[in-house]
Amino acid sequence: GAVVSQHPSRVICKSGTSVKIECRSLDFQATTMFWYRQFPKKSLMLMATSNEGSKATYEQGVEKDKFLINHASLTLSTLTVTSAHPEDSSFYICSADPPAGVGGAYYEQYFGPGTRLTVT
Amino acid sequence: AQSVTQLDSQVPVFEEAPVELRCNYSSSVSVYLFWYVQYPNQGLQLLLKYLSGSTLVKGINGFEAEFNKSQTSFHLRKPSVHISDTAEYFCAVSDMEGYKYIFGTGTRLKVLA
Repeated sequence: GAVVSQHPSRVICKSGTSVKIECRSLDFQATTMFWYRQFPKKSLMLMATSNEGSKATYEQGVEKDKFLINHASLTLSTLTVTSAHPEDSSFYICSADPPAGVGGAYYEQYFGPGTRLTVT
Repeated sequence: AQSVTQLDSQVPVFEEAPVELRCNYSSSVSVYLFWYVQYPNQGLQLLLKYLSGSTLVKGINGFEAEFNKSQTSFHLRKPSVHISDTAEYFCAVSDMEGYKYIFGTGTRLKVLA
């Protein structure tokens, strides 16, 4: 149990276009999901906390108008990178916090496999 | 606020040798501690976690970690590594609300034949 998927795994888009990344909890409901960005050979930077039914909470320095987050249901959160630029190229990872006990999870996050975004 | 320090950015070690990956944290409140592993171009997989109780925590793939409150450390160890253990290892903390993680900068473990 406690599986998180992401789609697509890899996407290439042209500068100026928008791209949507989906994060799904496959076998549990997640009222909270997290979006991270990982630069090459660097740690994970928390971008925002996605809350089902309410606005996302963005970390300091993250442009909320550029990185739109929608948590439309208890199993789906989406990250849309708007007007993408080459500097937005990165590895984006989502995670979800299952209810205590689901899949043996207590106070831990389960991570998706990540999405490699390349903006040309 | 919490912070996590992983002093070693890279650790090379020969196959079947023991390894220790260091993690120190700073926090004004009690925390939960985690170690995750990331293989190339993949997400993170939980190795082990400390919530409470015994300070020696055993995880998957033969890894273990010891919580030392006085030294604010949570070092990861394995007595005998395999080539397949080559990966990036991240230490993370969260407060007891259990929400936001703070990650260390990661340690790349490279196992040599």
